[in-house]
Amino acid sequence: NAGVMQNPRHLVRRRGQEARLRCSPMKGHSHVYWYRQLPEEGLKFMVYLQKENIIDESGMPKERFSAEFPKEGPSILRIQQVVRGDSAAYFCASSPPGTKKETQYFGPGTRLLVL
Amino acid sequence: GESVGLHLPTLSVQEGDNSIINCAYSNSASDYFIWYKQESGKGPQFIIDIRSNMDKRQGQRVTVLLNKTVKHLSLQIAATQPGDSAVYFCAETPDYKLSFGAGTTVTVRA
Repeated sequence: NAGVMQNPRHLVRRRGQEARLRCSPMKGHSHVYWYRQLPEEGLKFMVYLQKENIIDESGMPKERFSAEFPKEGPSILRIQQVVRGDSAAYFCASSPPGTKKETQYFGPGTRLLVL
Repeated sequence: GESVGLHLPTLSVQEGDNSIINCAYSNSASDYFIWYKQESGKGPQFIIDIRSNMDKRQGQRVTVLLNKTVKHLSLQIAATQPGDSAVYFCAETPDYKLSFGAGTTVTVRA
């Protein structure tokens, strides 16, 4: 059973370009979470999605950032018009369906560098 | 080596010794706690979790202790090995949004 998959693992963008980060949850998991980690810091929650629904995006910057989890295919975190401050590691986590709090399992992350 | 009660950003441990990593959490409403291990260039790896109706839980070579009165969490690693070298994060949540602590970098000396 493969774990959470993320790609690309490394992404370099110039200021003003778009970044698209992909996340495939673990098999059987229907909940996806995105977190951002700045150097030397812990992870910060960005958004929580279920299939075709954004449940909580309270951690997302109001502009330029969006996320989706379509019925088919991976979850996408999109950053438009990237700026240097967007450089960070972006981690996706998934958990199984259910109302009880479940452990979130993390992917290897995408390290975004904005030049 | 061990640190008790106080959160330290780094911990140097002799191979074979026991390690204790401490974490203070802030949200009184949190009822689910997880310890993650993060190696350089990798994502957080689940180690052990505990719910607020417990104060101790044991896994393989690891034990988590929860003190809700003082909002303190600790991770004990028995017989620390070189492969245990990593950054360790505690995470708490009252719902699903994990809040991560500052992390403790554990270095194992041969």
